[in-house]
Amino acid sequence: QSALTQPASVSGSPGQSITISCTGPSSDIGGYNFVSWYQQHPGNAPKLLIYDVGHRPSGVSNRFSASEAGNTASLTISGLQAEDEADYYCSSYTSSNPLLIFGGGTKLTVL
Amino acid sequence: QVQLVQSGPEVKKPGSSVKVSCKAFGGSFSNNAISWVRQAPGQGLEWMGGIIPSVDTPNYAQKFQGRVTITADEFTSTAYMELSSLRSEDTAVYYCARLNGYSSSWWIPTPPIGMDVWGQGTTVTVSS
Repeated sequence: QSALTQPASVSGSPGQSITISCTGPSSDIGGYNFVSWYQQHPGNAPKLLIYDVGHRPSGVSNRFSASEAGNTASLTISGLQAEDEADYYCSSYTSSNPLLIFGGGTKLTVL
Repeated sequence: QVQLVQSGPEVKKPGSSVKVSCKAFGGSFSNNAISWVRQAPGQGLEWMGGIIPSVDTPNYAQKFQGRVTITADEFTSTAYMELSSLRSEDTAVYYCARLNGYSSSWWIPTPPIGMDVWGQGTTVTVSS
């Protein structure tokens, strides 16, 4: 099972919005609405940002939003802040093996 | 809120095995799956497998099948991941995480699905 495809890097200035895409097999992304997004700062464990395509756990800023269209999921961060500089990973349930797959990760640079 | 605390760093020789533990404090352990995810230096995340403690049913990624064993002890709220026949490419940080949405032995997903609590990570170095 191949990893989901994400851009290697994106950048934006403080206050701007950016979007990170995540593309995979239509049987996975789009098939089940079980896409999640994780934020990882250097040296730290990942943190769940979004689950089930567009839901935020309590405590996650509403500057983070996500959606899905066809076989592409997208994470949007609005009002960029310096603290948003991190790596972002998408993940999806699959109906085969492995049960879960990740994207290759996207490094966000806040200029 | 549950916290997951992992065992300390390990240095292993090629061909040997490593066993990493993940103990849950302060919340439910048995009713959710525990996933194991690894991250090689400078690389992305990779799902290795998981276990549902309440039904003692593991699920392994095909890539690791035959080399990985994931177990859980409900009495001590501890999950374990053992990786054998280690090679240099297994050098990585290994994370455990609570995976919501899986509670049956068939690993049928029931939303919400996500890894919402993570351990601090365990560095495993494989070197001769």
